[in-house]
Amino acid sequence: AQKVTQAQTEISVVEKEDVTLDCVYETRDTTYYLFWYKQPPSGELVFLIRRNSFDEQNEISGRYSWNFQKSTSSFNFTITASQVVDSAVYFCALSEPGGKLIFGQGTELSVKP
Amino acid sequence: EAGVVQSPRYKIIEKKQPVAFWCNPISGHNTLYWYLQNLGQGPELLIRYENEEAVDDSQLPKDRFSAERLKGVDSTLKIQPAELGDSAVYLCASSLDRHTEAFFGQGTRLTVV
Repeated sequence: AQKVTQAQTEISVVEKEDVTLDCVYETRDTTYYLFWYKQPPSGELVFLIRRNSFDEQNEISGRYSWNFQKSTSSFNFTITASQVVDSAVYFCALSEPGGKLIFGQGTELSVKP
Repeated sequence: EAGVVQSPRYKIIEKKQPVAFWCNPISGHNTLYWYLQNLGQGPELLIRYENEEAVDDSQLPKDRFSAERLKGVDSTLKIQPAELGDSAVYLCASSLDRHTEAFFGQGTRLTVV
């Protein structure tokens, strides 16, 4: 069965620190997609990135970067030089071939000034 | 472009009463999802539509929950009768198809008293 584990429930950092959010997944499918979403206090889930299982290239978007390692079934997310506005709950998700998104429990990131 | 629109944002009802939530997906998005999010948890799929067809409703408690997507556009999720345990956030999302990223609405926070 598919499963997503985000072992870090809460992380607290001081502004400008780098922070990495861990995500480990389980699936028997050879084709799948991985996602990261941000959920600020307003409640809306904001899409950040989608990765397919055949593309292990790391990706960088501004202060955000993602490290996909199939060998360890991990899809970690790093925020460089964190800012207060980065404070939110971050969810990692796995998409089954049928399209159903399976979410992890989320990591609550608190960035203090 | 408008995002996914949900209404109402908040709803408080007494147990055993009926309640309905409405969702307007992004224009052109064929796939529509209803997710349930309990406090401190990741969202869990209730039902997924491809156009007007419900293709995955295995997690929908059919004894009290129902959903419809008329004409393959807007969707309504209904609970009748509501129970205390139904208190949660109900999220609607849409995507171009089942392989692309889903965009979420702000959700409806339901409180059953």
